[in-house]
Amino acid sequence: DTGVSQNPRHKITKRGQNVTFRCDPISEHNRLYWYRQTLGQGPEFLTYFQNEAQLEKSRLLSDRFSAERPKGSFSTLEIQRTEQGDSAMYLCASSLGVAPQVNFGPGTRLTVL
Amino acid sequence: DQQVKQNSPSLSVQEGRISILNCDYTNSMFDYFLWYKKYPAEGPTFLISISSIKDKNEDGRFTVFLNKSAKHLSLHIVPSQPGDSAVYFCAASATYSGAGSYQLTFGKGTKLSVIP
Repeated sequence: DTGVSQNPRHKITKRGQNVTFRCDPISEHNRLYWYRQTLGQGPEFLTYFQNEAQLEKSRLLSDRFSAERPKGSFSTLEIQRTEQGDSAMYLCASSLGVAPQVNFGPGTRLTVL
Repeated sequence: DQQVKQNSPSLSVQEGRISILNCDYTNSMFDYFLWYKKYPAEGPTFLISISSIKDKNEDGRFTVFLNKSAKHLSLHIVPSQPGDSAVYFCAASATYSGAGSYQLTFGKGTKLSVIP
């Protein structure tokens, strides 16, 4: 399967701990996105990379959140000092070309106790 | 403020009939619209899209209609099948309007149930 992969699929952590998620996009896709989805809501945009450059960041991405895509391939999303409000599904997506449609991964479900 | 609204949280349709899912938007900068389908425990899957220069796009059983003056779009599924049962998300972007954004703004979704 050559789709977008995300690890881990599930993460349970205690409030105040740091967590890091990994996303591997579809090979050769130059754009990579992070979205967050909470219960009853649609996905909300967090940030977007074109190759290794982070081009857009949402106001939702507080100082506790940092995303990287060091070599323009995989990406990591780190949340420092987690809070219960951070509990959500974190979705990674990738795309290639000029159209804005993206391919989503299965997501990482974060539960902060 | 919700820029993309799906006012029907759920919809039930008999197998073989037409399913119509609706979506409204408020941001006049949006110029590209998409529908995604989501099954439980999976990420959203792209279904169909339409550019603001068109008013209709068709792909097999799926057709999307865009009414720019009303800021409204709809997804028609004909005929509906039990496998279509999923949550459908409407999304929009302001990619070609000069904003140059690849950010997708999603609605809250409509859960479609197709009854055999």
